[in-house]
Amino acid sequence: DQQVKQNSPSLSVQEGRISILNCDYTNSMFDYFLWYKKYPAEGPTFLISISSIKDKNEDGRFTVFLNKSAKHLSLHIVPSQPGDSAVYFCAASGAGTASKLTFGTGTRLQVTL
Amino acid sequence: EPEVTQTPSHQVTQMGQEVILRCVPISNHLYFYWYRQILGQKVEFLVSFYNNEISEKSEIFDDQFSVERPDGSNFTLKIRSTKLEDSAMYFCASSPRRTGTEAFFGQGTRLTVV
Repeated sequence: DQQVKQNSPSLSVQEGRISILNCDYTNSMFDYFLWYKKYPAEGPTFLISISSIKDKNEDGRFTVFLNKSAKHLSLHIVPSQPGDSAVYFCAASGAGTASKLTFGTGTRLQVTL
Repeated sequence: EPEVTQTPSHQVTQMGQEVILRCVPISNHLYFYWYRQILGQKVEFLVSFYNNEISEKSEIFDDQFSVERPDGSNFTLKIRSTKLEDSAMYFCASSPRRTGTEAFFGQGTRLTVV
């Protein structure tokens, strides 16, 4: 049951460059999408979100793009910094009884000097 | 900044024993969740809780699992008879609204069943 997929398990980017993390989903009932960042032995930390009525949301160095017709979203980090090295999870929720999140499998980002 | 806190950070238990994982959600939040992450796998939803009852649960959340909010601040997950495959990181989360908002996660409890 892979309703949310992150096809790249890892990504390596040089400091200062753009990191682009991708996510695909299959459930058209999802209406809210989020990106979380996770360090080892810690809980997921919320980064940025986007509602299905928008196609872009920006917060500082982080921008999330949503392409509803393709059921695809991406997270852009510009410029990438070494502290951004972590596992990034895409998550989605729908208009259910409570906003449970369906997570992707994660992409490990490594930002090199 | 308000945060979700979980105790203990690490619990080792023998197979068949009962464990209780504890969480203190953010005080003005109304929706509470348990998720788990088996090593190397994705974070999976277990259960959501609102107004002192379960709102939704996954197929993982079978009869050996239960949740409770015993005193208005703590939110607990009980596993009645642990199995080896219950070994995972368990995350508590809370959110202020039902939809359209992020959930805030605790740092997790690593449960090891031996």
